[in-house]
Amino acid sequence: KAGVTQTPRYLIKTRGQQVTLSCSPISGHRSVSWYQQTPGQGLQFLFEYFSETQRNKGNFPGRFSGRQFSNSRSEMNVSTLELGDSALYLCASSLEGRDFSGAFFGQGTRLTVV
Amino acid sequence: AQKITQTQPGMFVQEKEAVTLDCTYDTSDPSYGLFWYKQPSSGEMIFLIYQGSYDQQNATEGRYSLNFQKARKSANLVISASQLGDSAMYFCAMRGPGFQKLVFGTGTRLLVSP
Repeated sequence: KAGVTQTPRYLIKTRGQQVTLSCSPISGHRSVSWYQQTPGQGLQFLFEYFSETQRNKGNFPGRFSGRQFSNSRSEMNVSTLELGDSALYLCASSLEGRDFSGAFFGQGTRLTVV
Repeated sequence: AQKITQTQPGMFVQEKEAVTLDCTYDTSDPSYGLFWYKQPSSGEMIFLIYQGSYDQQNATEGRYSLNFQKARKSANLVISASQLGDSAMYFCAMRGPGFQKLVFGTGTRLLVSP
């Protein structure tokens, strides 16, 4: 069974640009969550999608958005990039999201904003 | 609000020895799940072990076991017979009921020496 796949693995963008990250969850998993990891703030929750609907959202500005497709694949978008957006972005998938089963993460996308 | 505390920024252990990584949590939810993840330098967050708040027995997965003491609100990870490949960051996390996010601790960096 394939794991969670995130693309691309690495990105370098310039301030002011926008970026789209992709996440393909484990087959059969319908919940996809996104997290931002930085040395200063640690792991912070961005948002969670289930059946193409955003169910939960963290405390991030509106420049951060996401969506989920009918096949459960998810994308997150960051517009007007700032230097502080440089981080490892992790995607996690789980069966339903509301239960206590493990959330399985991808390898992450490391975004550098210059 | 939920909170995870990991008080050990770094731990050092020799190969084949056992090591305990500390985790305490705080929540007002009567039901919750506790998780441990391993993050190597590659960035991927690897799910290790899960403990439910109503589970009577401590969870075990191969060389990993979770020492769950509900009254003390602690969920320590025990790694038996450490291996060089165990060198990584380890994160304790929890999730409450409903559509709740994973809340992570600040992590413990484990270094296993030959």
